Amino acid sequence: ETGVTQSPTHLIKTRGQQVTLRCSSQSGHNTVSWYQQALGQGPQFIFQYYREEENGRGNFPPRFSGLQFPNYSSELNVNALELDDSALYLCASSLSGTANNEKLFFGSGTQLSVL
Amino acid sequence: DAKTTQPTSMDCAEGRAANLPCNHSTISGNEYVYWYRQIHSQGPQYIIHGLKNNETNEMASLIITEDRKSSTLILPHATLRDTAVYYCIADYGKLTFGQGTILTVHP
Repeated sequence: ETGVTQSPTHLIKTRGQQVTLRCSSQSGHNTVSWYQQALGQGPQFIFQYYREEENGRGNFPPRFSGLQFPNYSSELNVNALELDDSALYLCASSLSGTANNEKLFFGSGTQLSVL
Repeated sequence: DAKTTQPTSMDCAEGRAANLPCNHSTISGNEYVYWYRQIHSQGPQYIIHGLKNNETNEMASLIITEDRKSSTLILPHATLRDTAVYYCIADYGKLTFGQGTILTVHP
């Protein structure tokens, strides 16, 4: 039990639609990171937020965006969904802004299917 | 981000030690070595991390070579519940996951 919860657990969308995934971090954790995991692959870093500001981004287009709120919740938004966006989306929280020399606590993920 | 190389898969008998190797020859001075594991359809679980010194916790031991170019994760008494994908990561500030090692523990 990591104390990180994600919703919904499963979601089906149609190509071109928009989706919002939600994450609730551990209380006191100022950093949240989002990852995309395609079937059979390791998780790929999307971006990281520290105290409501984006402070790192992986190789993902701008239609992937995020928000972090003061109550330790966060969102991942994906616009104009493509078939290749089908994946498990994971959020992870940690204490500090660098997330270096720290454990990341992962949620169980949201399985997104784009048809 | 230092690239890591791990064997694709390994087997281990229940009750024996599982030794999972990882190469990270391009690691830089401020990059930590992290190990996570992922059991099917769950989020990755933190196991252990270190910078230079060997580390031990209730789950595992981490042995890092003196030149820091490789490391070994040791599960001292593997159980069936340790069957998972194990990821070795050498990074700073964010985690770059590779393909990992599929560890299968047999009865």
